[in-house]
Amino acid sequence: AQSVTQLDSQVPVFEEAPVELRCNYSSSVSVYLFWYVQYPNQGLQLLLKYLSGSTLVKGINGFEAEFNKSQTSFHLRKPSVHISDTAEYFCAVTRRGGADGLTFGKGTHLIIQP
Amino acid sequence: EAQVTQNPRYLITVTGKKLTVTCSQNMNHEYMSWYRQDPGLGLRQIYYSMNVEVTDKGDVPEGYKVSRKEKRNFPLILESPSPNQTSLYFCASSFSGRGRGYTFGSGTRLTVV
Repeated sequence: AQSVTQLDSQVPVFEEAPVELRCNYSSSVSVYLFWYVQYPNQGLQLLLKYLSGSTLVKGINGFEAEFNKSQTSFHLRKPSVHISDTAEYFCAVTRRGGADGLTFGKGTHLIIQP
Repeated sequence: EAQVTQNPRYLITVTGKKLTVTCSQNMNHEYMSWYRQDPGLGLRQIYYSMNVEVTDKGDVPEGYKVSRKEKRNFPLILESPSPNQTSLYFCASSFSGRGRGYTFGSGTRLTVV
């Protein structure tokens, strides 16, 4: 089975500052990795995903994430945040070739302060 | 527009009254699943389906049923709802190669009193 740990439940950041949201996973098999964003009162939107190849993955809205196999991490970064980035962010994994679905972390609430 | 449609968006019901939350996708996805989202717990999978007539339990299946009679529809059934099933529910779908990512519905907020 897989598990995902998001190390921070809340991250307050000033507008235009950089941010990193941390995600570590545990799995005995190879996985695909995802970051989803949930804006207030909305569903989940895919930010980016890692399938294979380059360990630096670029997504929408200026976000990027780096896959580190040795540290089993997939941290999300943005060099300069905006008020509109205020949202809940979820890291998720699924087994390559597996029959089951996504395993999510508990989420990180990104709070942008003006 | 490619989407996953859930209905209703909001529902308040009483304990023990059977209800169904519908989910439909127009992307010809083989894979569909249901999640519930609770504060501090993230999203947890209830049931999933790999294709028509193929369903399996996720991490928190107790108190729920599903069916997959058609590829596009995957309803979630609560035969006898209880207050601990008050939650935000999401349906999601994907092609069978799940590295393509999942598309989520807008959610159904269920309150059981």
